[in-house]
Amino acid sequence: ETGVTQSPTHLIKTRGQQVTLRCSSQSGHNTVSWYQQALGQGPQFIFQYYREEENGRGNFPPRFSGLQFPNYSSELNVNALELDDSALYLCASSLVGSRTDTQYFGPGTRLTVL
Amino acid sequence: AQSVAQPEDQVNVAEGNPLTVKCTYSVSGNPYLFWYVQYPNRGLQFLLKYITGDNLVKGSYGFEAEFNKSQTSFHLKKPSALVSDSALYFCAVRDGSNYQLIWGAGTKLIIKP
Repeated sequence: ETGVTQSPTHLIKTRGQQVTLRCSSQSGHNTVSWYQQALGQGPQFIFQYYREEENGRGNFPPRFSGLQFPNYSSELNVNALELDDSALYLCASSLVGSRTDTQYFGPGTRLTVL
Repeated sequence: AQSVAQPEDQVNVAEGNPLTVKCTYSVSGNPYLFWYVQYPNRGLQFLLKYITGDNLVKGSYGFEAEFNKSQTSFHLKKPSALVSDSALYFCAVRDGSNYQLIWGAGTKLIIKP
C-alpha cells in the first residue's frame, strides 16, 4: 500500500453534472498529480499541484480544475460532464525536489457518465 | 516532444521462463524512466526507475530493467516468470526539467502455468 487514498471509489453521474474527486497524499509528500485513464489506455496527465499552485497542466480543458490544501491533499473538479469523461481517475503523490522523486498512486476513482 | 512506445499489446510467457516487456522512449533531456504495474481495478504500483548510474536497475518482485541510451530503450525483465506476474505493465518517462510523466499505452503480460 502506498498511503495515497482516493474517494469515492466509484461514482455515477449524468451529462452536464459536476463532480469532485478527492485525494490524500502520502505522508511527507508535497505534490499531487492527477491522471485520467480511459479503458484500455495509459494514463493521461491532467495537472499537478505543488504548494497549493498548479505546477503544470496537460491537454485538458478548463472545466477540469483542481485544488491543493495546506495538508497537501487535493481535489479534482470536473464541470459540465461529458460521456467521454468516463474513466479511472488516478491521483499520485510525490516529493518534489528529492532525488527519489517517484509518484505513488492511489487506487483511483472510477467515474461513469451516463 | 516526449513520447513512450510499448510495441507489444500483449506478451505471453510460460511460467518459469524469462520475460521481457519492451519500452522505447523519446525525450529531449536526460530521461527519468519508470515501470509501473496495474492489476485489474487497481491503481498503479511502482516497480522500478532509472535516474542515473548503473544501466541495470533492480526493482520490486524480482523485476529489473536495462537502460540502453543508444537504443533509447528501457526493457523490463524477469529471469523466471510467475503466474502472479500477469498484469498490465506501463512504462513512463519524464525529462529532468519537469515532473510530468508521459506514459506508454501498456502491455498486457500473461503468464501461463
